[in-house]
Amino acid sequence: GQQLNQSPQSMFIQEGEDVSMNCTSSSIFNTWLWYKQDPGEGPVLLIALYKAGELTSNGRLTAQFGITRKDSFLNISASIPSDVGIYFCAGQRRATDSWGKLQFGAGTQVVVTP
Amino acid sequence: DTAVSQTPKYLVTQMGNDKSIKCEQNLGHDTMYWYKQDSKKFLKIMFSYNNKELIINETVPNRFSPKSPDKAHLNLHINSLELGDSAVYFCASSSRLAGADTQYFGPGTRLTVL
Repeated sequence: GQQLNQSPQSMFIQEGEDVSMNCTSSSIFNTWLWYKQDPGEGPVLLIALYKAGELTSNGRLTAQFGITRKDSFLNISASIPSDVGIYFCAGQRRATDSWGKLQFGAGTQVVVTP
Repeated sequence: DTAVSQTPKYLVTQMGNDKSIKCEQNLGHDTMYWYKQDSKKFLKIMFSYNNKELIINETVPNRFSPKSPDKAHLNLHINSLELGDSAVYFCASSSRLAGADTQYFGPGTRLTVL
């Protein structure tokens, strides 16, 4: 099946630092989504991107939909301890036979130290 | 005011047993999903229902049978449980009618097969 390559796999950063992660694909997607998962919880939607080139912010989070439609990145600025968790990218193609079928990246584990 | 809820949160059972997981959403969405998250945190879609009709059925053993009594509920029944079924199962929902691709996840059910 379609593979989404998410990197880095993990990040250990100090509080206050910025964090960047990205996802790439060999195929294009119509939608890119970024989720965060806390331990013992379900993924929570952070940012949704619907248009190539789109740059969207949500507080300290900024995500971009790559122009080629094959990649996306997520930045977290001035990290705080509660940013700890696993961040997932997910892509979706808006085809009739695959509507709703999200392809997930493997996740980026973020650890923030004081 | 829970949006997507699942029961039970934890399920520990013996190999060979049959068990069910229930999911309910109060978001008014018309599409619901089941995902499996393995020990490496990889999320993979299993099934999707739109207006009680099965629209996505990934390569899942037929021991897994989803049932959607109405748009707000999607249950997952698993027969003859195997050790490899141990995982966290997430329910999600979205609104296809509204043209929205964003999916909202439940808190997950951790299934342990002994």
